Amino acid sequence: GAGVSQSPSNKVTEKGKDVELRCDPISGHTALYWYRQRLGQGLEFLIYFQGNSAPDKSGLPSDRFSAERTGESVSTLTIQRTQQEDSAVYLCASSPQGILYEQYFGPGTRLTVT
Amino acid sequence: AQKVTQAQTEISVVEKEDVTLDCVYETRDTTYYLFWYKQPPSGELVFLIRRNSFDEQNEISGRYSWNFQKSTSSFNFTITASQVVDSAVYFCALSERAGNQFYFGTGTSLTVIP
Repeated sequence: GAGVSQSPSNKVTEKGKDVELRCDPISGHTALYWYRQRLGQGLEFLIYFQGNSAPDKSGLPSDRFSAERTGESVSTLTIQRTQQEDSAVYLCASSPQGILYEQYFGPGTRLTVT
Repeated sequence: AQKVTQAQTEISVVEKEDVTLDCVYETRDTTYYLFWYKQPPSGELVFLIRRNSFDEQNEISGRYSWNFQKSTSSFNFTITASQVVDSAVYFCALSERAGNQFYFGTGTSLTVIP
């Protein structure tokens, strides 16, 4: 079946602009995750949705970051007033159940803020 | 403090050598899960294994084996007879039953030299 998909695959934006990143999880997966991976570094956990609800938003780096999920399906990660330090690959993953289960990752969105 | 520590940043081995990737974790939860993921040069993370805190049996899957020791809070990963295709960044990760976050280590970059 189809895996996790993310769009766009690449995004170049000017500092100060808003960007919206999209994630389509594997059909039927109730849990969805967003991570940030800076070049050559590990994965930074941003947020996790169980269904449409995010139990803990403390991983979001600042109030410029927000995420939502509708219909237990698509999720969007929005970054407002982008800064150069936001440049990274943003990874989305989904799992069939909750946070104790294996995650299946998408290819990521590479965001470059100029 | 890091929840998951992968002290080895980079490892190089010659093909057919065995290699062990170390992972040390920290948690106060009695129920938790440990994971290993592989990120090949193509970039997309691949799930390798999930192990719960109540199962300390070692696991073997082909050339891969995992050694879980609660006494030392370690979950090490061994690749036997390494191959060039094993070249990747390997991440160890932790999730806790009482938590709403997922913790990745900083990764170990493995290069297998032909």
